[in-house]
Amino acid sequence: DIQMTQSPSTLSASVGDRVTITCRASESISYWLAWYQQRPGKAPKLLIYKASSLESGVPSRFSGSGSGTEFTFTISILQPDDFAVYYCQQYYSYPYSFGQGTKLEIK
Amino acid sequence: EMQLVESGGGSVQRGGSLRLSCVASGFTVSSDYMSWVRQAPGKGLEWVSVLYSGGTTYYADSVKGRFTISRHNSNNTLYLQMNSLRLEDTAVYFCARTTVKGFDIWGQGTMVTVSP
Repeated sequence: DIQMTQSPSTLSASVGDRVTITCRASESISYWLAWYQQRPGKAPKLLIYKASSLESGVPSRFSGSGSGTEFTFTISILQPDDFAVYYCQQYYSYPYSFGQGTKLEIK
Repeated sequence: EMQLVESGGGSVQRGGSLRLSCVASGFTVSSDYMSWVRQAPGKGLEWVSVLYSGGTTYYADSVKGRFTISRHNSNNTLYLQMNSLRLEDTAVYFCARTTVKGFDIWGQGTMVTVSP
């Protein structure tokens, strides 16, 4: 099974900051990686797919990069709505697996 | 608008059974891959099962042999039959359309609580 390791687990930042989250796969997953945002009590929302493709309707301040085993997710200019939990997920092979999540909180 | 709505969650005793439903609108479940993903209280996301349009299924080891994913084409509904429920199955269960983008459409979730 492929293990996904996300860091950091918690990130404190301010509106207007640039933030980056890292996700590492235990083996190569090519570009089969997605990033999701989850607000409390809500379903996850797809932001980025195939490591770097922006889902339709998602603001361009969100971006992703990487391939193989190392991936990054960046929010260029934090907005108040962006404080949430973010998950990476590999869909290269079953069982599909998620990172443990990064809670982005207001500093 | 494409939408998924889950139902069927509730409280059940350990060893019991429950069937979850997920009704789709705006697209056809039989034409797409569909998954169940769960989230234990205060925890992260865990993929549970997937059903291919052609009928192939895959399960997480934690539910294999106890859960069955299926669909009813005329109702445009995805199901998850859960048997021999364990305390650790307590979670919010989401259905999600599964594509080359990952999970691109999610339902709102339905809560399953397994008690001793």
